[in-house]
Amino acid sequence: DVKVTQSSRYLVKRTGEKVFLECVQDMDHENMFWYRQDPGLGLRLIYFSYDVKMKEKGDIPEGYSVSREKKERFSLILESASTNQTSMYLCASSNRGNGYTFGSGTRLTVV
Amino acid sequence: GQQLNQSPQSMFIQEGEDVSMNCTSSSIFNTWLWYKQDPGEGPVLLIALYKAGELTSNGRLTAQFGITRKDSFLNISASIPSDVGIYFCAGHPFGAGSYQLTFGKGTKLSVIP
Repeated sequence: DVKVTQSSRYLVKRTGEKVFLECVQDMDHENMFWYRQDPGLGLRLIYFSYDVKMKEKGDIPEGYSVSREKKERFSLILESASTNQTSMYLCASSNRGNGYTFGSGTRLTVV
Repeated sequence: GQQLNQSPQSMFIQEGEDVSMNCTSSSIFNTWLWYKQDPGEGPVLLIALYKAGELTSNGRLTAQFGITRKDSFLNISASIPSDVGIYFCAGHPFGAGSYQLTFGKGTKLSVIP
């Protein structure tokens, strides 16, 4: 069964901490995405990558960075976590022209 | 960026009732997709539509790609409690990068047993 795996289901971090969210896919997909989901706001794209070492800003990149050193792994980094980054984070992957496969999500709470 | 208008935002229905939700856009889409998100989980693809006018079923679910390529609907027949969740429409806009989807904001479905 093909999968997108997010390293943590729940995380609690302190304000100012550096936070790493990891995502791994086993489908040899070219494209990977990071979204955050907040009630009433739907899915908002943070960053995406269409190839190793390539990255593109999405709609809300401020306060985030990403890393894609290997095709199967796409990491989201919060350089200095803030309370307004408390959210559900979803990773997804796809091949060109196809739908996304999502991970189960990481619910991050910043206190 | 592109916008998808999904309605209704939420629905409360009785078990056994049929459900209909739709998605519209001011611009043309090449592909329409419908996802379901169970509480606390990531969205899962239900149905994919690739041609204008296409009507596709998946069990009790039926979805159609509008003939104008600017809309799509999803119907659920004879709802059951496990249908609870958030349903998202999504699509590939015509002329945009084929790797990026545009999402609606979701329809939250609650089923009363």
